[in-house]
Amino acid sequence: GDSVTQMEGPVTLSEEAFLTINCTYTATGYPSLFWYVQYPGEGLQLLLKATKADDKGSNKGFEATYRKETTSFHLEKGSVQVSDSAVYFCALLGDSGGYQKVTFGTGTKLQVIP
Amino acid sequence: KAGVTQTPRYLIKTRGQQVTLSCSPISGHRSVSWYQQTPGQGLQFLFEYFSETQRNKGNFPGRFSGRQFSNSRSEMNVSTLELGDSALYLCASSTRGQASGEKLFFGSGTQLSVL
Repeated sequence: GDSVTQMEGPVTLSEEAFLTINCTYTATGYPSLFWYVQYPGEGLQLLLKATKADDKGSNKGFEATYRKETTSFHLEKGSVQVSDSAVYFCALLGDSGGYQKVTFGTGTKLQVIP
Repeated sequence: KAGVTQTPRYLIKTRGQQVTLSCSPISGHRSVSWYQQTPGQGLQFLFEYFSETQRNKGNFPGRFSGRQFSNSRSEMNVSTLELGDSALYLCASSTRGQASGEKLFFGSGTQLSVL
C-alpha cells in the first residue's frame, strides 16, 4: 500500500538557519503530495501541495518540489523563525483499494531557537 | 465561518469501557474523515464519511466504528477500550471529500486516555 517516510525529529535549528525536512513516498500511479503543519494544541493545516511531477508548491517561504524520479517531496525554507516551530507532516493522496485517501507520514518536529 | 469542532477536548476512560467522540465539520462540508494520532505511528486513517455513507475504511479492528448524520456531523465510537487506544483523535472535513485532492480542514482533536 501507499506509504510516506519522513526524517525523524526533532530537528533543532537556530533562527535564520536553512531548513530541509526529507520526505519520500511509495505509491502506485501519480499521487498528489502535500505538506501539513501542526502547531502546539491545534489541528493540522495545509502548508503546500503539488499535483504532478516537477511541480513546486510554496507558501509562507516554504517550498517543496515533486520529484518523481526520486519519489521525494522535501520541504525547504531559507530562513526559519521561532514561529515556525511545529510538527510537519508529509502526505500523499493515492489509491487505496479502489478509493483515494490521504496517507500521512509520522511527522517531524521542528524546534527553532532564538 | 466556524472551523471544525471536536468534542470533548479531553477524555479519560478505563479499559473495557466504550467512548463516543463527536465532530462538527465546517458548514457546507459533506465529508468527514477520522484519524488516530500517536507519537510512534503518526496519523493513521480510520474512515471517511460522505453524505452519511462510509466511503473508505482503514485497517482498524471492528471495535472502531463511526457514523454521519444528515447535518454532516459525525461520531466515532470505540468499544471495549484497550490501553493502546490512548491517542489524539482528529477529524477533518472537506467539501467534496479526500478523493478530490482539496485541502482537509482539521479540528483540534480529542485526547483520549485509557487507564
